[in-house]
Amino acid sequence: AQKITQTQPGMFVQEKEAVTLDCTYDTSDPSYGLFWYKQPSSGEMIFLIYQGSYDQQNATEGRYSLNFQKARKSANLVISASQLGDSAMYFCAMRDLTLDSARQLTFGSGTQLTVLP
Amino acid sequence: DARVTQTPRHKVTEMGQEVTMRCQPILGHNTVFWYRQTMMQGLELLAYFRNRAPLDDSGMPKDRFSAEMPDATLATLKIQPSEPRDSAVYFCASGSDNSPLHFGNGTRLTVT
Repeated sequence: AQKITQTQPGMFVQEKEAVTLDCTYDTSDPSYGLFWYKQPSSGEMIFLIYQGSYDQQNATEGRYSLNFQKARKSANLVISASQLGDSAMYFCAMRDLTLDSARQLTFGSGTQLTVLP
Repeated sequence: DARVTQTPRHKVTEMGQEVTMRCQPILGHNTVFWYRQTMMQGLELLAYFRNRAPLDDSGMPKDRFSAEMPDATLATLKIQPSEPRDSAVYFCASGSDNSPLHFGNGTRLTVT
């Protein structure tokens, strides 16, 4: 079974600084994808970044980068140059890519990020 | 920008009433998911369709919930009869194999 763990219920960061949101996962599947979603107070779920288990390089998307350490089963999200608009709940998620029946997205419990002015 | 469309955005109903939530996935996506989000349980998978066929609905209370995809442009989630514990935000998401899921804005359901 898949499991995603986000150990930081809440994080604070000063505007313009970088912040790392932790995510560890557990799976026995060889092929999987790791995702990060942002959920602002308005409620929508916004896709941020994706990392495949066989990708050689860490994914980057603008100010977002994913620090993927496969041996440690961690997929931390790094947000550089934080902005006030980054304040939101952030969810790490994983999807098994091996079996049709198991391609659901399993979510962590989320980290509430607050960017301070 | 293509997006997943969910209706209604908000629904308030009385216990015992039927609730139907609708989702229009992004054109070309072959997978559709229904998730429920609550403060206590976080995001829970309710049902999952691939090429309109239900693949996994183990997370859904079968006695009152049902999910269908009558065609490729419409997915529905019904609750009958609704109960106060069903109050939550219900998200629909669509995607293609090996691609990120794109979520709708959700339906906020309140059952009194």
